[in-house]
Amino acid sequence: NAGVTQTPKFRVLKTGQSMTLLCAQDMNHEYMYWYRQDPGMGLRLIHYSVGEGTTAKGEVPDGYNVSRLKKQNFLLGLESAAPSQTSVYFCASSYNYRGGSGNTIYFGEGSWLTVV
Amino acid sequence: GENVEQHPSTLSVQEGDSAVIKCTYSDSASNYFPWYKQELGKGPQLIIDIRSNVGEKKDQRIAVTLNKTAKHFSLHITETQPEDSAVYFCAAGGIGTYKYIFGTGTRLKVLA
Repeated sequence: NAGVTQTPKFRVLKTGQSMTLLCAQDMNHEYMYWYRQDPGMGLRLIHYSVGEGTTAKGEVPDGYNVSRLKKQNFLLGLESAAPSQTSVYFCASSYNYRGGSGNTIYFGEGSWLTVV
Repeated sequence: GENVEQHPSTLSVQEGDSAVIKCTYSDSASNYFPWYKQELGKGPQLIIDIRSNVGEKKDQRIAVTLNKTAKHFSLHITETQPEDSAVYFCAAGGIGTYKYIFGTGTRLKVLA
């Protein structure tokens, strides 16, 4: 059971280049998320998905696009990278659980992206 | 908008002492409060959580308390050990929802 797997782990981009971060989860979770983590700012939600074929904007969606064609995969795209997008990106997933407990979010190991 | 404030941003304690990290949330609809630990180079991992119908929850050396009236919740780590050194995040959300607001993190250093 691998949990949440992100690729690549490290990437350096030039301003204006495009790239896609891949996320896969093997826990059959309905919800998936992309966060970015910057010093002093905690974890900020970029985009999320509540099920296959659905996506929605989070707190900081500008400059990013996402797709969820399969339940287990959630892709984050940067169409034209900017230095402000230098960050650590975390993919996460959780159950759609309407019971008495909250939905534990399981995070991937992170992807370090530098835009020069 | 909805907000979670976390203090302190850094905390150094001697091994064996206790550490307390505090969070305040703004959304009165929040009823689920998880705490995550992030070790260097890794993703955050859930260490303990609490629901709004519970005032305190313990798991060995870790405890979380919740004051829903004041919209405060805190993480308490007793008998700290060097392996407790990490960044800790609090979060607030609604049970059965996808939406969580995270605090800005506390870097805990346990000095041997």
